[in-house]
Parts: sequence; structure tokens; C-alpha cells
Amino acid sequence: GNSVTQMEGPVTLSEEAFLTINCTYTATGYPSLFWYVQYPGEGLQLLLKATKADDKGSNKGFEATYRKETTSFHLEKGSVQVSDSAVYFCALSRGSTLGRLYFGRGTQLTVWP
Amino acid sequence: DTGVSQDPRHKITKRGQNVTFRCDPISEHNRLYWYRQTLGQGPEFLTYFQNEAQLEKSRLLSDRFSAERPKGSFSTLEIQRTEQGDSAMYLCASSFLPGQAFRGTGELFFGEGSRLTVL
Repeated sequence: GNSVTQMEGPVTLSEEAFLTINCTYTATGYPSLFWYVQYPGEGLQLLLKATKADDKGSNKGFEATYRKETTSFHLEKGSVQVSDSAVYFCALSRGSTLGRLYFGRGTQLTVWP
Repeated sequence: DTGVSQDPRHKITKRGQNVTFRCDPISEHNRLYWYRQTLGQGPEFLTYFQNEAQLEKSRLLSDRFSAERPKGSFSTLEIQRTEQGDSAMYLCASSFLPGQAFRGTGELFFGEGSRLTVL
């Protein structure tokens, strides 16, 4: 079946620290991969995406590379800010069910000044 | 603001009662999705519509759940004879799928959710 496994949180970092949130997936064929973010009191919003192997998605200083050989899509940021504090969800979409997303459990990130 | 809106934001009900949630998608979006999220978990797919047609339902959507999108615009999700296990955040999302489908790249725009508490 289709599933996403994220590293468990919470993750607590100081401002300007390096961030990695691990995500691995199980899927048949070639899924598209996403990171969604949920800021406090807001709805989920797309952070970045990659639709094929070796693609790198990037946005707001965050990056993730679609690694088919390791079935991974780890989220990274070189220098986090307090405003990055949020819950981050890794997700996949299968081509045959366009738009239906399979989400990981989410990782809570707290950044301290 | 023309984002996805959901109503009500919070609903507290007694076990056995019926509840209905409404979702108004972004106006030009032809796809509408319902997800459920429980504490500490990621959202789980329930169902989705393309225009007014309900194209897929998850096995999570028991017979007590029904969703409609009668005119291809807003949607309702009704839960009959609520149970305590139905307590969750119900999320609505919408997207635009162009005429020629492409693989899984349609971004979903989520509402803030409707939180249901069943006592």
C-alpha cells in the first residue's frame, strides 16, 4: 500500500540551527511527494513538492530531494527562524488518484530565539 | 479573502446526534476533498468530488457518513448517530485540475478545519 513515515517529534532548535526532518515512503510506481506545513491557528499549506526522482523542491529556504533509491524525501533548512515553528507533514500522491494525499503523522518544530 | 472556508469551526455534540459540516472551496476549483485528522496523526483521506460527482470514498467513510456537493460548489459532510470515535478535526481542501490531467501535481488548498467533539 501507500504510506509515509516521518521522524517523530517534537523537534526543538535554536534560531539559525540546521534542520532535518526525515521522511520515507512506501508506494507502488512513481508517486509525487510533498511537504505541507501547518502554522498555529492556520490551515495546512503546501511548502514544496517534487514529482519525479532526483527532483528537488524548494521554498522559503527549505529543500527536499526525491530519492527513489532510498524512498526518501527529507526536509532540510540551513538556518531556521522562530517563524518556522509549525507542524510539518510529509505526503505522497499516486498518479492514479490525483490529489488524494497520504500523509505522515507530522513533526512539530519549535524554534527558540 | 477567497480561501477555503469551513463552518462551523467547532462543534460539540452528544453521542447519537447528527452533525453537518459545510465547506466552501475556492470558487474556480473543480475538486473538493474531505480529510479527517485525529490528535497526533496526519490527515486521512475520506472522499473527494470532481464538480458534483463523488469519485472516490475511503473505507474510513462508514455508512453513517455522507458527503454531497450538489451544485459542484460548496459541500456538506454529515455524520449520523455520532460516536465518541468520530471526535476529530474534519478538513476540507480544494484544487483545480485542468482539462488534461497530470500526475499528482495539483496543489491542495486546505481550510482551517471543523473540530468535532462527541461527548
